[in-house]
Amino acid sequence: GEDVEQSLFLSVREGDSSVINCTYTDSSSTYLYWYKQEPGAGLQLLTYIFSNMDMKQDQRLTVLLNKKDKHLSLRIADTQTGDSAIYFCAERGYSGGYNKLIFGAGTRLAVHP
Amino acid sequence: DVKVTQSSRYLVKRTGEKVFLECVQDMDHENMFWYRQDPGLGLRLIYFSYDVKMKEKGDIPEGYSVSREKKERFSLILESASTNQTSMYLCASRPGQITDTQYFGPGTRLTVL
Repeated sequence: GEDVEQSLFLSVREGDSSVINCTYTDSSSTYLYWYKQEPGAGLQLLTYIFSNMDMKQDQRLTVLLNKKDKHLSLRIADTQTGDSAIYFCAERGYSGGYNKLIFGAGTRLAVHP
Repeated sequence: DVKVTQSSRYLVKRTGEKVFLECVQDMDHENMFWYRQDPGLGLRLIYFSYDVKMKEKGDIPEGYSVSREKKERFSLILESASTNQTSMYLCASRPGQITDTQYFGPGTRLTVL
């Protein structure tokens, strides 16, 4: 079945780069997503990548996709304290005639001075 | 901006009570979703709806039901609350199936005593 896995915690120093990793199982996934959840808030879409792309860059964010290994990563350059949040990786799933998102457990990013 | 609101941020109920969680979106979105979020498990889909009066079971529908009488409102119902339903409940909406981007509400933290 479909499954998305990511490590639960990451701690980085302010100003360093953060790399959050994710693996997925459905090789037919066409879209992969990164969502961010700040404390006390719902999830917010950060960025997404099509499966025919290897990399996508958006300001401080870089998404890398390795389709062969089914591995997705999110790199945050110059990490700031405002980046402290839970980051969820998600892949598009399809069941019962409908598209739905399959989420990982989330990686809690802690940024310290 | 898309706005998804949930009726309560925090809720405390007793075992056996009937609980209603309300979600309203203001962007005329067709699709709406209910998830529960638990530490280490990420988001799990409870129910979703692709149209008014339509509902589909997600991955963990047991112990829950839903109602969608109007397009903008999607209610999650716990017929007889149990302690294992203590969780964060997140509602989301989506314009249609063409895009996977879901817009999330702030969440309701439910505690069942």
